Amino acid sequence: DIQMTQSPSTLSASVGDRVTITCRASQSISSWLAWYQQKPGKAPKLLIYKASSLESGVPSRFSGSESGTEFTLTISSLQPDDFATYYCQQYSSYSGTFGQGTKVDIK
Amino acid sequence: EVQLVESGGGLVQPGGSLRLSCAASGFTFSSYWMSWVRQTPGKGLEWVANIKQDGSEKYYVDSVKGRFTISRDNAKNSLYLQMNSLRVEDTAVYFCARGGVRDQLLCGFWGLGTRVTVSS
Repeated sequence: DIQMTQSPSTLSASVGDRVTITCRASQSISSWLAWYQQKPGKAPKLLIYKASSLESGVPSRFSGSESGTEFTLTISSLQPDDFATYYCQQYSSYSGTFGQGTKVDIK
Repeated sequence: EVQLVESGGGLVQPGGSLRLSCAASGFTFSSYWMSWVRQTPGKGLEWVANIKQDGSEKYYVDSVKGRFTISRDNAKNSLYLQMNSLRVEDTAVYFCARGGVRDQLLCGFWGLGTRVTVSS
């Protein structure tokens, strides 16, 4: 199975900060990488698919990029609504492995 | 508006069975792959199973093979997960998720989940 290593596990930031979260795949997944946002007690929400494609309705401050097997989610200017936990997922092959998550909290 | 509403969770003893259901609305259910994904505090998010639009292909994570069965009823816009021989480690919140038309494992929309607790 493909392993997804996400870092950091926790990130403290302030409103307006630029935030970067990284996910590394244990082998090539091409661009089959998605990012999700989850708030407490809520369902995960798709933000980015195919590494850098923004899901409809998601603010443009969210962006995704890739370099080989390393993938990055960037929030250009953190907003109060963005404090949440973020997960990556590879959907190149079964079993569609998720990263362990990054909790973004208020500094 | 796209909606996925899970039901059927609860408390069950080890070795017992549960059947989860997911009612879909707001989209053409028969056009999408559908998945079940579970979440635990310890292991995070784990994809469990998925099923093709016409039900002709089904895939499972190794840990549930032979115990869980995914199915769908396109006439009723519903997805199911029959869980047998339940183990303590199956305790989780189970989410129903809409896949893509071609992207089998991408979870484009999720329900709110239903909690399954396996305990004696």
